[in-house]
Amino acid sequence: KAGVTQTPRYLIKTRGQQVTLSCSPISGHRSVSWYQQTPGQGLQFLFEYFSETQRNKGNFPGRFSGRQFSNSRSEMNVSTLELGDSALYLCASSYTFPLGGYTFGSGTRLTVV
Amino acid sequence: KNEVEQSPQNLTAQEGEFITINCSYSVGISALHWLQQHPGGGIVSLFMLSSGKKKHGRLIATINIQEKHSSLHITASHPRDSAVYICAVRYTGNQFYFGTGTSLTVIP
Repeated sequence: KAGVTQTPRYLIKTRGQQVTLSCSPISGHRSVSWYQQTPGQGLQFLFEYFSETQRNKGNFPGRFSGRQFSNSRSEMNVSTLELGDSALYLCASSYTFPLGGYTFGSGTRLTVV
Repeated sequence: KNEVEQSPQNLTAQEGEFITINCSYSVGISALHWLQQHPGGGIVSLFMLSSGKKKHGRLIATINIQEKHSSLHITASHPRDSAVYICAVRYTGNQFYFGTGTSLTVIP
């Protein structure tokens, strides 16, 4: 059974650009959540989707957005990148919402220069 | 403001020792998760708790809802247990908050 797949694994972008990250959940999982991890702030919750609907959103500016498709795959987008957006972005999938167990992807390492 | 408090921040143990990591939170929760993160970033979900106690191999997780406190215990610790352990809570409003993590090093 394939795990949670995140693409790309590494990304370097210039300040002001935008970026789209992708997450393919485990087959059959309908909930996908996104997290940002930085050395200074640790893990922070971005948003969570279930059945193509955003169910929950963390305290991030509107530059951070996401969506979930009918096949449960999810994308997150960050517009007008700032240096502080450099982080490891993790997604996790779960069979149910909100009390499912989570399986995490390996993450996308974003560097903004 | 960090909604989840973990202790200790760093922990060094000799192989075979019994280890306890603590997590406290502030208001009502729907679930508490214990996560393990090895160097390189991969995160594994160890437990999800809403009450009582769960055990998996040498790992035991407990939660006391009244005291708003959870503990993760590792019995007979092994160097492969060296990792960062993170407590995460889902509050009843469905917001997720994470502790700052406990960095565990087990020395052979």
